[in-house]
Formats: sequence, structure tokens, C-alpha cells
Amino acid sequence: EVQLVQSGAEVKKPGESLKISCKGSGYSFTGHWIGWVRQMPGKGLEWMGVIFPGDSNIRYMPSFQGQVTISADKSISTAYLQWSSLKASDTAMYYCAREVWGAVEYWGQGTLVTVSS
Amino acid sequence: QSALTQPRSVSGSPGQSVTISCTGTSSDVGAYNYVSWYQHHPGKTPKLIIYGVTERPSGVPDRFSGSKSGNTASLTISGLQSEDEADYYCCSYAGHYSFGVFGGGTKLTVL
Repeated sequence: EVQLVQSGAEVKKPGESLKISCKGSGYSFTGHWIGWVRQMPGKGLEWMGVIFPGDSNIRYMPSFQGQVTISADKSISTAYLQWSSLKASDTAMYYCAREVWGAVEYWGQGTLVTVSS
Repeated sequence: QSALTQPRSVSGSPGQSVTISCTGTSSDVGAYNYVSWYQHHPGKTPKLIIYGVTERPSGVPDRFSGSKSGNTASLTISGLQSEDEADYYCCSYAGHYSFGVFGGGTKLTVL
């Protein structure tokens, strides 16, 4: 059974750094694109970017390029989403997602990130 | 502003049919047969209900169907049930990004 299990909710202050994770199991982690989808409060779903763990090829949606860093550690089948300096506008639910031709086959349970002073 | 355009809301009575449109461009919806649809109940994880424009994953009722004409894809839900009340999102592969773009989402109300 394919599973994507994300790290728990986070409460951070503006300017702090953060790295959230998504562990894949039940499939070949290195053989599938995996990415991150943001949902801000009361808003819709947005693809942020994707990574192919097999060769670390990464693609970002232009609006997120330079704002976040996507990475993966294939030795532990885990993908990451990282911020170096959080802003209040980063407050959102973040889902990891296994992607194929733009579609999400499988979703993580979501990680709620709250940034507040 | 989302890359794909969906109506903000649609509604229908139990047993009726509703159609949700998703308009893109010749670089995404019009260029690829890689349109997917998701049902999202608040507080839950989104659920894939249509992929490849018309295909339904195992376990999705055949009341849900997808189609595409030109740059516009559509999701039709027939025989509306109360549990269909949710937000629905379309998504298309976009060649200029090399992955997907979502629509803004449509809130379905079952009257």
C-alpha cells in the first residue's frame, strides 16, 4: 500500500527557518516524482514544485522559485520542503503528493504551518 | 489568479446532474490529455476522482465523469447525493512548467 506520511504541525515566528518532511513507503521512492501542494486559509490548491528522487531533478512553479527549497533523501525515502526565513503569508496547509503528468495519485495527510509573532 | 479557470460555485438538488468547467489554454488543457479532478471535503485530504481526462480510479462511482473539448475540460456529477457537497479542483499538466497547474476550485452545494 502506497503511503505518504508527513511530519506534524508547526508553529513558528516570522524569520525562523523550517523543514517539513514526507516519508514514502509501499512503492519505489526513486522511481516517481513527488512534490508539494500549498493550500492557504480559505484558498485553493497550488502546486509548488516537484522532485524526482532518483536523480534529484527539481522543478519549481515560478511563484515559489527562490522562496522554498525542495529536496529528498532517497536513502530514507523522504522528501522535504524548507524555508530559510518564514513569513506570516507562509501560513498554510502543505500536502506532499506523488505526481504523474501533473496529477496527484497519492496525497500525504498534510502539515499545517502557522507563522505568527 | 489561478492558471485554470473554474466557476466559484455550482449547486444542484439531490438526483440532479451538475457540470463544472475548467478552462485553460493551448499550453495546458488544450495540449495534453492529462486533466485530473479532485474532490476536497474541508478538513480532509483531497481525493483523485478523474485522471487522464476521462478515467476513474478504482472505487470512484461512475456518477463522476470527465470530458474535454479544446481548452476546456468538464466534470459531470450525475445523481447528486448529499455527500457530493465539497470543493472540486481541476488540474492539468502544463508543458511550460513541466508539471501541473490547478484551477481555483468550485464549491458544490447540494440543495
